[in-house]
Amino acid sequence: EVHLVESGGGLVQPGGSLRLSCAASGFTFSSYWMSWVRQAPGKGLEWVANIKQDGNQKFYVDSVKGRFTISRDNAKNSLYLQMNSLRAEDTALYYCARDSPRPRDVVDYWGQGTLVTVSS
Amino acid sequence: QSVLTQPPSASGTPGQRVTISCSGSSSNIGSNPVNWYQQLPGTAPKLLIYSDYQRPSGVPDRFSGSKSGTSASLAISGLQSEDEDDYYCAAWDDSLDVYVFGTGTKVTVL
Repeated sequence: EVHLVESGGGLVQPGGSLRLSCAASGFTFSSYWMSWVRQAPGKGLEWVANIKQDGNQKFYVDSVKGRFTISRDNAKNSLYLQMNSLRAEDTALYYCARDSPRPRDVVDYWGQGTLVTVSS
Repeated sequence: QSVLTQPPSASGTPGQRVTISCSGSSSNIGSNPVNWYQQLPGTAPKLLIYSDYQRPSGVPDRFSGSKSGTSASLAISGLQSEDEDDYYCAAWDDSLDVYVFGTGTKVTVL
């Protein structure tokens, strides 16, 4: 069974940083693209970034480019999101999600999310 | 601002058929698989339909997907009270290089 568990969320001041982690199990982590998706309170879903199996290709939504960095450690079955220069509009529940082995296909499994609140 | 447009709400009585539309463009729906998600507020989304019309194992055949050109649709037949959730379409956008979600549709069972 695919299992994704996020951690690292919390309250941070505007301009601050946080690092989110996602522990994956139940599948061959190194065979899949992986994504981060967020959902602001009461709002819809917004894809944030994804990363190729070997970590050599990454894509980001424009609103986080230059501020967020996605990375992975296949030896530890873990996905990360380094978030810098945080803004109030980054406040959201952040989901770790499994993509397909193929690019530009489907996000199929999701974790339960970790809440990031950016506020002074 | 999402590039995939859905109606904000849809409703029906138990047993009815409800259809949700998803309108996009040639760079997303027109060239990539469309996926649909079901989300009970406060919980993680669940994949309902992938590759335009495929159902993951465990998803009832009451749910069906279709696509034509730059639009896609999700149909729920035999509507049940537990279908009262939020529904999102999604597809990769080749111009933006992002995975775009629809604006979301809240389904109400009357």
